[in-house]
Amino acid sequence: GAVVSQHPSWVICKSGTSVKIECRSLDFQATTMFWYRQFPKQSLMLMATSNEGSKATYEQGVEKDKFLINHASLTLSTLTVTSAHPEDSSFYICSAASISGSSYNEQFFGPGTRLTVL
Amino acid sequence: GQNIDQPTEMTATEGAIVQINCTYQTSGFNGLFWYQQHAGEAPTFLSYNVLDGLEEKGRFSSFLSRSKGYSYLLLKELQMKDSASYLCAVMDSNYQLIWGAGTKLIIKP
Repeated sequence: GAVVSQHPSWVICKSGTSVKIECRSLDFQATTMFWYRQFPKQSLMLMATSNEGSKATYEQGVEKDKFLINHASLTLSTLTVTSAHPEDSSFYICSAASISGSSYNEQFFGPGTRLTVL
Repeated sequence: GQNIDQPTEMTATEGAIVQINCTYQTSGFNGLFWYQQHAGEAPTFLSYNVLDGLEEKGRFSSFLSRSKGYSYLLLKELQMKDSASYLCAVMDSNYQLIWGAGTKLIIKP
Protein backbone atom coordinates (compact mmCIF):
# COMPACT_ATOMS: atom_id res chain seq x y z
CA GLY A 1 0.00 0.00 0.00
CA ALA A 2 0.88 3.64 -0.19
CA VAL A 3 3.02 5.31 2.46
CA VAL A 4 1.91 8.25 4.56
CA SER A 5 4.28 9.91 6.99
CA GLN A 6 3.58 12.19 9.92
CA HIS A 7 5.93 14.53 11.69
CA PRO A 8 6.59 14.78 14.53
CA SER A 9 5.74 11.35 15.94
CA TRP A 10 5.42 12.82 19.40
CA VAL A 11 5.53 16.30 20.88
CA ILE A 12 5.35 17.81 24.35
CA CYS A 13 4.50 21.47 24.66
CA LYS A 14 3.50 24.05 27.22
CA SER A 15 -0.08 25.19 27.56
CA GLY A 16 -0.80 28.17 25.33
CA THR A 17 1.70 27.35 22.62
CA SER A 18 0.91 26.19 19.09
CA VAL A 19 1.93 22.90 17.54
CA LYS A 20 2.10 22.01 13.85
CA ILE A 21 1.75 18.44 12.63
CA GLU A 22 2.65 17.51 9.07
CA CYS A 23 1.12 14.72 7.03
CA ARG A 24 2.76 13.67 3.78
CA SER A 25 1.76 11.12 1.17
CA LEU A 26 5.11 9.85 -0.04
CA ASP A 27 4.31 7.88 -3.17
CA PHE A 28 0.94 9.03 -4.43
CA GLN A 29 -1.06 12.21 -4.90
CA ALA A 30 -3.70 12.57 -2.23
CA THR A 31 -6.71 14.56 -3.35
CA THR A 32 -8.21 14.20 0.11
CA MET A 33 -6.64 14.06 3.54
CA PHE A 34 -8.42 13.31 6.78
CA TRP A 35 -7.44 14.32 10.29
CA TYR A 36 -8.50 12.16 13.21
CA ARG A 37 -8.12 12.40 16.94
CA GLN A 38 -8.12 9.40 19.22
CA PHE A 39 -8.36 9.52 23.00
CA PRO A 40 -7.22 6.51 25.06
CA LYS A 41 -9.42 3.44 24.65
CA GLN A 42 -11.70 5.25 22.21
CA SER A 43 -12.19 4.97 18.49
CA LEU A 44 -11.01 7.39 15.87
CA MET A 45 -12.90 10.66 15.75
CA LEU A 46 -12.85 12.49 12.45
CA MET A 47 -11.93 16.12 12.97
CA ALA A 48 -11.87 17.42 9.43
CA THR A 49 -11.60 16.53 5.78
CA SER A 50 -9.38 18.56 3.54
CA ASN A 51 -9.21 18.63 -0.23
CA GLU A 52 -6.15 20.00 -1.98
CA GLY A 53 -6.48 23.69 -2.70
CA SER A 54 -9.71 24.26 -0.80
CA LYS A 55 -10.81 24.94 2.75
CA ALA A 56 -11.16 22.03 5.11
CA THR A 57 -14.56 20.73 6.15
CA TYR A 58 -14.76 20.42 9.92
CA GLU A 59 -16.90 18.00 11.85
CA GLN A 60 -19.47 19.31 14.25
CA GLY A 61 -17.92 20.35 17.53
CA VAL A 62 -14.42 20.85 16.13
CA GLU A 63 -13.25 24.48 16.37
CA LYS A 64 -11.83 25.51 13.00
CA ASP A 65 -10.04 28.51 14.53
CA LYS A 66 -8.27 26.27 17.00
CA PHE A 67 -7.38 23.43 14.64
CA LEU A 68 -6.02 25.05 11.52
CA ILE A 69 -5.72 22.78 8.52
CA ASN A 70 -3.84 23.56 5.35
CA HIS A 71 -3.73 21.26 2.33
CA ALA A 72 -1.52 23.24 0.01
CA SER A 73 -0.38 20.42 -2.24
CA LEU A 74 -1.34 16.91 -3.26
CA THR A 75 1.28 15.47 -0.96
CA LEU A 76 1.16 17.67 2.14
CA SER A 77 -1.43 18.65 4.72
CA THR A 78 -0.73 20.34 8.04
CA LEU A 79 -2.72 20.54 11.25
CA THR A 80 -1.87 23.35 13.64
CA VAL A 81 -3.22 23.16 17.16
CA THR A 82 -3.31 26.77 18.30
CA SER A 83 -3.10 27.80 21.95
CA ALA A 84 -2.95 24.18 23.03
CA HIS A 85 -4.36 23.17 26.39
CA PRO A 86 -4.01 19.93 28.37
CA GLU A 87 -7.39 18.71 27.13
CA ASP A 88 -5.95 18.78 23.58
CA SER A 89 -3.52 16.04 24.56
CA SER A 90 -4.36 13.15 22.28
CA PHE A 91 -3.19 10.90 19.46
CA TYR A 92 -3.61 12.71 16.14
CA ILE A 93 -3.72 10.57 13.01
CA CYS A 94 -3.93 11.64 9.40
CA SER A 95 -4.96 9.58 6.44
CA ALA A 96 -4.69 10.23 2.75
CA ALA A 97 -6.81 9.07 -0.15
CA SER A 98 -7.22 9.68 -3.83
CA ILE A 99 -10.94 9.93 -4.41
CA SER A 100 -12.32 10.96 -7.75
CA GLY A 101 -15.88 10.89 -8.99
CA SER A 102 -17.55 7.63 -8.13
CA SER A 103 -14.36 5.63 -7.79
CA TYR A 104 -13.11 4.70 -4.41
CA ASN A 105 -9.57 4.51 -3.16
CA GLU A 106 -8.42 3.21 0.19
CA GLN A 107 -7.43 5.57 2.98
CA PHE A 108 -3.81 5.18 3.97
CA PHE A 109 -2.96 6.12 7.53
CA GLY A 110 0.02 7.93 8.87
CA PRO A 111 1.73 6.56 11.99
CA GLY A 112 0.14 9.17 14.24
CA THR A 113 1.41 12.00 16.43
CA ARG A 114 1.20 11.81 20.21
CA LEU A 115 0.60 15.31 21.59
CA THR A 116 1.03 16.01 25.29
CA VAL A 117 0.23 19.50 26.55
CA LEU A 118 1.60 20.34 29.97
CA GLY B 1 -28.26 9.10 12.59
CA GLN B 2 -25.31 6.98 11.60
CA ASN B 3 -24.27 4.16 13.86
CA ILE B 4 -21.72 1.37 13.92
CA ASP B 5 -21.96 -1.29 16.65
CA GLN B 6 -19.35 -3.83 17.59
CA PRO B 7 -18.53 -5.58 20.87
CA THR B 8 -16.25 -3.71 23.21
CA GLU B 9 -13.99 -6.61 24.11
CA MET B 10 -13.52 -10.27 23.28
CA THR B 11 -11.20 -12.95 24.62
CA ALA B 12 -9.96 -15.98 22.71
CA THR B 13 -7.32 -18.68 23.02
CA GLU B 14 -4.16 -18.95 20.95
CA GLY B 15 -4.73 -21.26 18.00
CA ALA B 16 -8.51 -20.89 18.10
CA ILE B 17 -10.96 -19.02 15.85
CA VAL B 18 -12.78 -15.82 16.75
CA GLN B 19 -15.53 -13.89 14.96
CA ILE B 20 -15.96 -10.16 15.54
CA ASN B 21 -19.36 -8.83 14.49
CA CYS B 22 -20.26 -5.37 13.25
CA THR B 23 -23.70 -3.94 12.50
CA TYR B 24 -24.24 -0.60 10.87
CA GLN B 25 -26.80 2.01 9.94
CA THR B 26 -25.45 4.70 7.64
CA SER B 27 -26.61 7.19 5.05
CA GLY B 28 -25.51 5.41 1.93
CA PHE B 29 -22.96 2.65 1.59
CA ASN B 30 -19.73 2.60 -0.34
CA GLY B 31 -18.04 -0.29 1.37
CA LEU B 32 -17.09 -1.65 4.77
CA PHE B 33 -13.58 -1.79 6.14
CA TRP B 34 -11.85 -3.66 8.89
CA TYR B 35 -8.71 -2.24 10.44
CA GLN B 36 -6.35 -3.59 13.06
CA GLN B 37 -4.90 -1.19 15.59
CA HIS B 38 -2.24 -2.05 18.12
CA ALA B 39 -2.01 0.17 21.19
CA GLY B 40 -0.29 3.45 20.44
CA GLU B 41 -0.18 2.85 16.71
CA ALA B 42 -2.24 3.96 13.73
CA PRO B 43 -4.77 1.56 12.18
CA THR B 44 -3.64 -0.83 9.49
CA PHE B 45 -5.92 -1.99 6.70
CA LEU B 46 -7.21 -5.57 6.85
CA SER B 47 -10.11 -5.86 4.43
CA TYR B 48 -12.67 -4.10 2.27
CA ASN B 49 -16.10 -5.48 1.34
CA VAL B 50 -18.51 -3.74 -0.98
CA LEU B 51 -20.44 -6.75 -2.29
CA ASP B 52 -22.22 -9.41 -0.25
CA GLY B 53 -20.26 -12.48 0.60
CA LEU B 54 -17.04 -13.68 2.11
CA GLU B 55 -13.59 -12.32 1.31
CA GLU B 56 -10.72 -14.51 2.45
CA LYS B 57 -7.20 -13.29 2.95
CA GLY B 58 -4.91 -15.74 4.67
CA ARG B 59 -5.92 -16.25 8.30
CA PHE B 60 -8.39 -13.38 8.11
CA SER B 61 -11.79 -13.41 6.39
CA SER B 62 -14.46 -10.74 6.21
CA PHE B 63 -18.14 -11.20 5.47
CA LEU B 64 -20.76 -8.68 4.41
CA SER B 65 -24.55 -8.72 4.18
CA ARG B 66 -25.77 -5.34 2.93
CA SER B 67 -29.45 -6.22 3.36
CA LYS B 68 -28.84 -6.96 7.04
CA GLY B 69 -26.36 -4.14 7.63
CA TYR B 70 -23.99 -6.74 9.04
CA SER B 71 -20.40 -7.78 8.73
CA TYR B 72 -17.99 -9.99 10.58
CA LEU B 73 -14.25 -10.43 10.71
CA LEU B 74 -13.10 -14.01 11.21
CA LEU B 75 -9.63 -14.67 12.54
CA LYS B 76 -8.30 -18.23 12.36
CA GLU B 77 -5.29 -19.88 13.99
CA LEU B 78 -5.01 -17.04 16.45
CA GLN B 79 -1.56 -15.86 17.40
CA MET B 80 -0.51 -13.75 20.36
CA LYS B 81 0.36 -10.91 17.98
CA ASP B 82 -3.31 -10.75 16.97
CA SER B 83 -4.05 -9.10 20.31
CA ALA B 84 -5.20 -5.66 19.20
CA SER B 85 -8.27 -3.55 18.63
CA TYR B 86 -10.26 -4.28 15.50
CA LEU B 87 -12.12 -1.34 13.99
CA CYS B 88 -15.12 -1.64 11.71
CA ALA B 89 -15.73 1.37 9.46
CA VAL B 90 -18.34 2.07 6.80
CA MET B 91 -17.88 4.51 3.94
CA ASP B 92 -21.05 6.51 3.48
CA SER B 93 -22.49 8.20 0.40
CA ASN B 94 -20.08 11.13 0.85
CA TYR B 95 -17.09 8.75 0.88
CA GLN B 96 -16.59 9.54 4.55
CA LEU B 97 -15.60 6.75 6.91
CA ILE B 98 -17.92 6.20 9.85
CA TRP B 99 -16.01 4.39 12.57
CA GLY B 100 -17.11 1.87 15.15
CA ALA B 101 -15.65 2.13 18.64
CA GLY B 102 -13.47 -0.90 18.06
CA THR B 103 -13.31 -4.37 19.59
CA LYS B 104 -10.39 -5.11 21.86
CA LEU B 105 -9.30 -8.69 21.25
CA ILE B 106 -7.35 -10.39 24.02
CA ILE B 107 -5.52 -13.59 23.14
CA LYS B 108 -4.65 -15.98 25.95
CA PRO B 109 -2.05 -18.76 25.72
